[in-house]
Amino acid sequence: LAKTTQPISMDSYEGQEVNITCSHNNIATNDYITWYQQFPSQGPRFIIQGYKTKVTNEVASLFIPADRKSSTLSLPRVSLSDTAVYYCLVIKYGGSQGNLIFGKGTKLSVKP
Amino acid sequence: DTAVSQTPKYLVTQMGNDKSIKCEQNLGHDTMYWYKQDSKKFLKIMFSYNNKELIINETVPNRFSPKSPDKAHLNLHINSLELGDSAVYFCASSQDGSGRGRTTQYFGPGTRLTVL
Repeated sequence: LAKTTQPISMDSYEGQEVNITCSHNNIATNDYITWYQQFPSQGPRFIIQGYKTKVTNEVASLFIPADRKSSTLSLPRVSLSDTAVYYCLVIKYGGSQGNLIFGKGTKLSVKP
Repeated sequence: DTAVSQTPKYLVTQMGNDKSIKCEQNLGHDTMYWYKQDSKKFLKIMFSYNNKELIINETVPNRFSPKSPDKAHLNLHINSLELGDSAVYFCASSQDGSGRGRTTQYFGPGTRLTVL
């Protein structure tokens, strides 16, 4: 079971790029890295998913090094509305195994 | 249209009572989930159902029982409520048939349960 470790909290200012790193040292071949965002008083929302190298969408980029033991969620030019909790998950594809562990996530606070 | 809806949004009840939380999704997804988020914001999977079949059944007290009358609904029944059950409960759905979140999960707004 691939456990993830992320910082509990991060602070940033509007307009800055924010990078949140997640460690998943025992990630397996069939595992994908997925990030969710949760605003206060709302359910989590999918941001991005990747397997290796780099994935980019309209919201964020996900960088995954060759060994895949960590990943970095990059939020370009954050605004106050990006204040949220960000969860890193390792999702197992294939077979009948795999659990869903969100953990506590990283609380990002964006200041003006 | 709300994709994943939950009722009620707030639920305040006394210890020992039995209560239910309803969840409905109109996305046509095959899999539905229940999560619990405690006061420390730790979000933990409780159950997942795929086509009315239980897939994930985490270590939760057997006072919690999910019931899926059809693919679009997954209700959570809680018997003999305890103080420690106070939390926000989220329902979610996804398209994949694994029941293990392999495709995007869509979450409901949550139900805040307070046990007095």
